[in-house]
Amino acid sequence: GAVVSQHPSWVICKSGTSVKIECRSLDFQATTMFWYRQFPKQSLMLMATSNEGSKATYEQGVEKDKFLINHASLTLSTLTVTSAHPEDSSFYICSARDSRGGLAGFQYTQYFGPGTRLTVL
Amino acid sequence: EDQVTQSPEALRLQEGESSSLNCSYTVSGLRGLFWYRQDPGKGPEFLFTLYSAGEEKEKERLKATITKKESFLHITAPKPEDSATYLCAVQAGSYSSASKIIFGSGTRLSIRP
Repeated sequence: GAVVSQHPSWVICKSGTSVKIECRSLDFQATTMFWYRQFPKQSLMLMATSNEGSKATYEQGVEKDKFLINHASLTLSTLTVTSAHPEDSSFYICSARDSRGGLAGFQYTQYFGPGTRLTVL
Repeated sequence: EDQVTQSPEALRLQEGESSSLNCSYTVSGLRGLFWYRQDPGKGPEFLFTLYSAGEEKEKERLKATITKKESFLHITAPKPEDSATYLCAVQAGSYSSASKIIFGSGTRLSIRP
């Protein structure tokens, strides 16, 4: 199977600071990665789609200036929460699209990272 | 509008008591249906991909099946370690269109020893 890692697994920061979360596909290349947010006992909420070498696509209601996404290589995407506030505290999960095994360009599987717990004081 | 609905929201079973989780979907052009397992405080773990009606996949005590309107995750003789939230997701759209994966809200499965 495919492995996706995230770093850090948890972070606590003061209000007003910025936090960067890294997402790596370890054994496959991912031209597309996704960033999700999950609140307790709720399902995953897609925040943005990260495409290697181009600008990210944000979902409606997600502030692009607050959640900066950089997908600089085929194995790495980063999410920076700028000027974090307590309401940004959440569980952030990335996933990477793996096109191997499906019909090329049409079918793919998303593999998820272990998540990052962000707590803003 | 594409939609994925999972039922029940929560299911409590006795160890060894087999059951099924349901995922109903309404999408335009199914490319794939996925099942994930998520433990508290962790990211979803990939279980299965099903591409077309009639397909079946198995892994240990889990078996996933799919029709044109729904998918089932059958769990046979479950053990307490099978307790988790099970997520269903679909990838839809025509060949020429970009598509995202749409998630259901999940079924929280609890297995009592």
